[in-house]
Amino acid sequence: DTAVSQTPKYLVTQMGNDKSIKCEQNLGHDTMYWYKQDSKKFLKIMFSYNNKELIINETVPNRFSPKSPDKAHLNLHINSLELGDSAVYFCASSLGGVRSDTQYFGPGTRLTVL
Amino acid sequence: GESVGLHLPTLSVQEGDNSIINCAYSNSASDYFIWYKQESGKGPQFIIDIRSNMDKRQGQRVTVLLNKTVKHLSLQIAATQPGDSAVYFCAGASDSWGKLQFGAGTQVVVTP
Repeated sequence: DTAVSQTPKYLVTQMGNDKSIKCEQNLGHDTMYWYKQDSKKFLKIMFSYNNKELIINETVPNRFSPKSPDKAHLNLHINSLELGDSAVYFCASSLGGVRSDTQYFGPGTRLTVL
Repeated sequence: GESVGLHLPTLSVQEGDNSIINCAYSNSASDYFIWYKQESGKGPQFIIDIRSNMDKRQGQRVTVLLNKTVKHLSLQIAATQPGDSAVYFCAGASDSWGKLQFGAGTQVVVTP
């Protein structure tokens, strides 16, 4: 049973396109996150939702829009894709904040913008 | 701003030896730290955490040491095994929610 799942695993698209990455967790967690990992493996928080409410919103271009239809899902929509958006995007979840509860990561979505 | 970084990008260690991975941070307000392990093609996995009111914390084969004076933490892996080959990240937080700032990662390669 996959705790945190992401679809698709690989996404190859042209510059200027709009794409979405989906994330689902079956752990009953209240908090979900999106991270971006660049080619040098540097991980950076993008967004975090707790009970469907946005609690962390880092300096991310407004072309990126997270959407949480319910506590178990946090999707990431990206408009007008650029070359610099190429990265691996990780979804994660935790029961509460990371100070009190272990954060579980999904397998990642490798986005390649051509 | 917060900056968490690692001293060595790659660490080669012989199977059975102990590994030590170092991490420096710049934000003196950081008071919570986590070490993650990331195997190839997978997401990061929690290993161990430590709060700033502690100097040392031990887990199964792992020990984290925190030196707040010099803003440095390390992860020690005892009797390193081939399954320990991965990229290891330290991450720190200074806010109440625990927004993590990650270091660049250290690649650990275990040789037979």
